[in-house]
Amino acid sequence: TQLLEQSPQFLSIQEGENLTVYCNSSSVFSSLQWYRQEPGEGPVLLVTVVTGGEVKKLKRLTFQFGDARKDSSLHITAAQPGDTGLYLCAGGRNKIIFGKGTRLHILP
Amino acid sequence: GAVVSQHPSWVICKSGTSVKIECRSLDFQATTMFWYRQFPKQSLMLMATSNEGSKATYEQGVEKDKFLINHASLTLSTLTVTSAHPEDSSFYICSVVKPGSLDNSPLHFGNGTRLTVT
Repeated sequence: TQLLEQSPQFLSIQEGENLTVYCNSSSVFSSLQWYRQEPGEGPVLLVTVVTGGEVKKLKRLTFQFGDARKDSSLHITAAQPGDTGLYLCAGGRNKIIFGKGTRLHILP
Repeated sequence: GAVVSQHPSWVICKSGTSVKIECRSLDFQATTMFWYRQFPKQSLMLMATSNEGSKATYEQGVEKDKFLINHASLTLSTLTVTSAHPEDSSFYICSVVKPGSLDNSPLHFGNGTRLTVT
């Protein structure tokens, strides 16, 4: 059974700081996705990483896929209150499973 | 614009009654839809894979007779929570994937249905 472990589970930091969220597995994934979820809404896709070692940037967010395609990271530079939310990594073959998520709170 | 429409967005029902949740794919035909459940402060747990024209595939621990899934057309899947109990109170979210997507990803989610059973 494929599992995705996310860390940290909770993170509360000051506006302007940098942070990194990790998504790890013992299994190889053909791709991993990162989603962000606001309270009371469905998750919204941020990015899909496909190639081992791949780095993708989305404004202040940098996503990396591990060389062995077993892990991924999300780095946010100069965090802003608008970045507050639940960040979820997900992956799988034919059915998508989710990590437990990282609940991020940016303090103004 | 929205790719997936889920209805209702919230519902309150009495214990023992049944509730139907609809999930519509607006932009494309979806042969496969996924139903997830999310308890407060937790992540999404896959309940079942809804396949158009055939029986849904349920995850281990999910009662198929309690959570009835009907995927009658290429744009509509419904989840019926039968004989609801307070422990069924949760956030139910459907998702669709574009045909031809690799490994059924990425997912496009509806806005979820908040079910409260009293």
